[in-house]
Amino acid sequence: KAGVTQTPRYLIKTRGQQVTLSCSPISGHRSVSWYQQTPGQGLQFLFEYFSETQRNKGNFPGRFSGRQFSNSRSEMNVSTLELGDSALYLCASSLVGPPYFGPGTRLTVT
Amino acid sequence: ELKVEQNPLFLSMQEGKNYTIYCNYSTTSDRLYWYRQDPGKSLESLFVLLSNGAVKQEGRLMASLDTKARLSTLHITAAVHDLSATYFCAVVLSGNTPLVFGKGTRLSVIA
Repeated sequence: KAGVTQTPRYLIKTRGQQVTLSCSPISGHRSVSWYQQTPGQGLQFLFEYFSETQRNKGNFPGRFSGRQFSNSRSEMNVSTLELGDSALYLCASSLVGPPYFGPGTRLTVT
Repeated sequence: ELKVEQNPLFLSMQEGKNYTIYCNYSTTSDRLYWYRQDPGKSLESLFVLLSNGAVKQEGRLMASLDTKARLSTLHITAAVHDLSATYFCAVVLSGNTPLVFGKGTRLSVIA
């Protein structure tokens, strides 16, 4: 059974640009969550989608947005990038039981 | 607001020794997870604890949950180098609410 996949794995962007990250959940998993991991703040919840609807949202500015498609694949978008957005972005999918995490996208903003 | 605290945040232990990582959370919760993260890698699920008194064991790791004390422990028995990683506990308030993570415990097992 294939795990959660995320693309791209690494990304370097410049301040002010925007970026889109993609996540493909485990087959059959309808819930997809996104987390930001930084050395200072640790793992913080961004948002969760279930059946194409945002079910939960974390405390992040509106520059962070996401969506989910009918095949449960999800994307997150960050507009007007700031240096502080440099982080590992992790996607997790779940059906019942523990969320399974993907390998993450390492975003560096210069 | 649910808060999750882990301690210690850093742990250096000798091979063969035992130690315990603690995870305290601030409000009644639905379930608790333990994850492992190797450097530069993603999170790997270790245990799911659902009810008071739950105990799960896998190899040299044993996790337990005391819901009355709002405390979970991850006990390491006879540590080996392969256990070196960062361990996170994560708590779910209820139902489909998101995971709230502790800061993680960076474990280094030395010979």
